[in-house]
Amino acid sequence: EDQVTQSPEALRLQEGESSSLNCSYTVSGLRGLFWYRQDPGKGPEFLFTLYSAGEEKEKERLKATLTKKESFLHITAPKPEDSATYLCAVQARGAGSYQLTFGKGTKLSVIP
Amino acid sequence: GAVVSQHPSRVICKSGTSVKIECRSLDFQATTMFWYRQFPKQSLMLMATSNEGSKATYEQGVEKDKFLINHASLTLSTLTVTSAHPEDSSFYICSARVDGEGHEQYFGPGTRLTVT
Repeated sequence: EDQVTQSPEALRLQEGESSSLNCSYTVSGLRGLFWYRQDPGKGPEFLFTLYSAGEEKEKERLKATLTKKESFLHITAPKPEDSATYLCAVQARGAGSYQLTFGKGTKLSVIP
Repeated sequence: GAVVSQHPSRVICKSGTSVKIECRSLDFQATTMFWYRQFPKQSLMLMATSNEGSKATYEQGVEKDKFLINHASLTLSTLTVTSAHPEDSSFYICSARVDGEGHEQYFGPGTRLTVT
């Protein structure tokens, strides 16, 4: 069974204080690992897809990296508007319908 | 691009009634759509996979007679919660994969269902 564990559950940062969120996974052959951002009361917003170990993707203050066992979402000099819950999900190779298995998320709060 | 809409955004219904939620891909075709539910402070739980022109595939523990899914076109899937009860109150979110492109799913804004 595919499993995704995210840590920490919650993270409070001062504005400008860089940090990383962790996503550990076990999957029977990884097709892709996905990062989403979810604001309260809204659907998740797609951020990144990573397909193979060593791959990195960047978008503004966010950078996602992938190893064979985990992924990190690095946040550089965060701003209050980066406050949200960040979700990690995996998709197994051979999942014909492209189903995702989600972690419980990391709730990030950035304090001005 | 890759915008998914849901309607309604909020609905309150009485116990025993049925509620229909629509999920539309606005600027792309989606053979496959997904329905999730999310309880407060918990992650998304996949309920079912909806395929255009065929029967939906339900996850273990999800009652297919209670949560009716219809995917009649490449841009529309509907979820009907039949004989709703207070325990069905939740945040329902749909997603869609763009046909012929990457593997990521794009999510709708969600529907908050409250059953009184």
